[in-house]
Order: sequence, then C-alpha cells, then structure tokens
Amino acid sequence: QVHLMQSGGEVKKTGASVKVSCKASGYTFTSYGISWVRQAPGQGLEWMGWINTYNGNTNFAQKLQGRLTMTTDTSTNTVFMELRGLGSDDTAMYYCARSMIMGGYGDFWGQGTLVTASS
Amino acid sequence: QSVLTQPPSVSGAPGQRITISCTGSRSNIGAGYDVHWYKQIPGTAPKLVIYANGNRPSGVPGRLSGSKSGSSASLAITGLQVEDEADYYCQSYDRSLSSVVFGGGTKLTVL
Repeated sequence: QVHLMQSGGEVKKTGASVKVSCKASGYTFTSYGISWVRQAPGQGLEWMGWINTYNGNTNFAQKLQGRLTMTTDTSTNTVFMELRGLGSDDTAMYYCARSMIMGGYGDFWGQGTLVTASS
Repeated sequence: QSVLTQPPSVSGAPGQRITISCTGSRSNIGAGYDVHWYKQIPGTAPKLVIYANGNRPSGVPGRLSGSKSGSSASLAITGLQVEDEADYYCQSYDRSLSSVVFGGGTKLTVL
C-alpha cells in the first residue's frame, strides 16, 4: 500500500532554515513525482512546488523561488524540502503528496509536518 | 485572494444534494486544464475525491461527482451524510503563473 511518511514537527527562529523529509513506500518511487503543499493556520492550501524523482528536475511557486530547494534520494525513496530565510508567515503545516506529473493531482498524501517560525 | 474562486461555505440537510462551484479563467480551467477536488477534515491531510474533472478514485462513494464547463467546475454530493462535513478544495494549473493553483476552500456543513 502506498504510504508517505514525513519527518516530525520543527520549531525554528525567524531567518533560519528548515528541512522536511518525505519517505515513500509501497510503489515504484521514480515513477511518480512529489508535490509539496502547505497550509497556514486556519487558511487554505498553497502549492509550493514539485520534484521529478527520476531526474531531480523541479518546479517551484514563483513566490518561493530563491528560498526553496527540493532534492531526492533514490537509495532511500525519500524527498527533502528545504525552505530558507523563514519568516513568521512560513508557519504552517507542510504536506508532501504523490503527483505523477507537474501540475497533476496528489493521490496520496503524507501526514503533514508542522513548522513553526518565531522570533 | 485565490486564483480559483469557491464559495466560503455551503450547507444542506442529510439526504439533500449540494454543489460546490470553482470558478477560474482562460489561463487555467478555461484553457483546458483538468480540475481536481480534495476533501479535508480539520486536523488531517487532504484526500483526493475527484480527479481529472469527473473521475472518482477507488473507495470514493458514487454520491460524489464532478463536472467542468468553460472556465468553471463543480463538485456535487447527493444523499448528503454527516461524514461529508469537511472543507473541500478545487485544484487546477495556471499557464500564466506556470503553477498549480487551489481554490480558497469551501466549508460544507451538514445540518
């Protein structure tokens, strides 16, 4: 069965960086990309970006370009999302989701990782 | 302000039919990009309930259906049940932004 397991919650100072992992199991890892979506407290869903787990190509939301990195480790079927220069408005639940193609739907989702950024 | 527009809330009594609209533009839904729908119970991850405009993943009841016309899409739920109460989000792709876009979400209350 498809399962995405995310790393635990993080508390960071503003200006710091955070790295969240998403470990996939139950399918052929490199056949599907991974999207990252975040949700600020009480707010809606915001797409952050997508990584092609086969070749490492990425697409990011314009507002996050320059602060966001996504990488993949095919030896452990894990995708990493790193966000730098955290501001208080980056406080959110961060989700990874399996998405076959860039712009496609997320058919399986991780449980979420709460990132709190505060001074 | 979301690129895709959804009503903030809808409500219905058990057994009734409700629809949730998702209005876009010629750079996203109107350009032919697919619309997908998610159900989110507060405190949990979103769950895909409709993909590619009108297709249901395995395990999603047939009471849920999706449609798309022009620059808009709709999610319909018939025979409303208490367990349908949740937030619902539409998603598409916007070619002007070169980005996935979501609607602002609709809170469904079953009275």
